Amino acid sequence: DARVTQTPRHKVTEMGQEVTMRCQPILGHNTVFWYRQTMMQGLELLAYFRNRAPLDDSGMPKDRFSAEMPDATLATLKIQPSEPRDSAVYFCASGQRTDTQYFGPGTRLTVL
Amino acid sequence: TQLLEQSPQFLSIQEGENLTVYCNSSSVFSSLQWYRQEPGEGPVLLVTVVTGGEVKKLKRLTFQFGDARKDSSLHITAAQTGDTGLYLCAGAGNQFYFGTGTSLTVIP
Repeated sequence: DARVTQTPRHKVTEMGQEVTMRCQPILGHNTVFWYRQTMMQGLELLAYFRNRAPLDDSGMPKDRFSAEMPDATLATLKIQPSEPRDSAVYFCASGQRTDTQYFGPGTRLTVL
Repeated sequence: TQLLEQSPQFLSIQEGENLTVYCNSSSVFSSLQWYRQEPGEGPVLLVTVVTGGEVKKLKRLTFQFGDARKDSSLHITAAQTGDTGLYLCAGAGNQFYFGTGTSLTVIP
């Protein structure tokens, strides 16, 4: 049963610290998405990659967020420095098409 | 401004009742998806509709894509407690957008 995995599942950190979230997409999927979900804003697209190349990161605050795919089995989302307003659940999703996405369980980030 | 507006935002009904959730936009989408998300988990894809006017059924769930491919509806017949969750529509065009979400609670 192929699934998207995300680590860590929960992260509590202090303001100003670096946070790295990791995602392992489903083997064979060539498109990877990063989303952020909050009660106020709902589910927001931060960035997505196709064949490891970034296609759109317009939803991501460029000054503190960065997303990469070092290889086909790993996607990372970094926040440096983190701020309390970054507290949210971060989801990774993968797929073979933009309109069919399989989501991971999410990383719940709390920045104090 | 959200590209995809869902209504209602919250819905609480008794088990056995029927309900309809709406997803509206002023934009045209090449396809539209419906997802269900349970607490502590990621959204799970329920269906994709592609053709204007298309109707798809998934057991007690009926999905319809508007003729102009700008809106969609999800109808649940005889709701069960297991239907409780957050329902999200999502549209694919030049980019990919999620709707504002409908939180459904089915009371036993």
